[in-house]
Amino acid sequence: AIQMTQSPSSLSASVGDRVTITCRASQAIRSDLGWYQQKPGKAPKLLIYAVSNLQSGVPSRFSGSGSGTDFTLTISSLHPEDIATYYCLQDYNYPLTFGGGTKVEI
Amino acid sequence: QVQLLESGPGLVKPSQTLSLTCSVSGGSINSISYYWTWIRQPAGKALEWIGHTSPSGSNIYIPSLESRVTISLDTSKNHFSLRLTSVTAADTAVYYCARGVRDCSGVSCHSWFDPWGQGTLVTVSS
Repeated sequence: AIQMTQSPSSLSASVGDRVTITCRASQAIRSDLGWYQQKPGKAPKLLIYAVSNLQSGVPSRFSGSGSGTDFTLTISSLHPEDIATYYCLQDYNYPLTFGGGTKVEI
Repeated sequence: QVQLLESGPGLVKPSQTLSLTCSVSGGSINSISYYWTWIRQPAGKALEWIGHTSPSGSNIYIPSLESRVTISLDTSKNHFSLRLTSVTAADTAVYYCARGVRDCSGVSCHSWFDPWGQGTLVTVSS
């Protein structure tokens, strides 16, 4: 199975900061990567699919980039409501695998 | 819009079978465009994809659970189910159902999960 490694595992930032989360795949996965946001006690929510495609309704301060093995989720200006854990997911092959998560705190 | 809701026992004894149902409203489960998926999350841990089923009959499971898991569709009730046999404490988790979308309209195909159910906690304990 493809291993997805996220870093950092947690971070603390201030409102208005630019936040970057990285996800590294154990093998090349083309552009088959998505990002999910999970707020405490809630189900995950799709943010981005196919590396950089923003799901409808997701604020434009979220963006994704990368290809091959290295990918990035960026929040251009952190809002209080962005406090959550973020997960990457590879859909290149089965079994689909998630990263370990990055907890974003203020 | 499509909504998913998990239901089933919150407590299962070791060695017994875990059975959950995901009811789908606002759309038909009988669409070949979608993969009906189960994902779980032990407390404080990461998400784990369990597997999916689809109206085309495509069933794929994570290898670590393949001998114990079955995901099935009931189009008459517009729901799908998860069955996990011989459970142990390691199967204690919040279980989510989700609609998997596979889009092949571009140069390559991409998959994602949207929407998700709210999740249901299943505890394996005697």
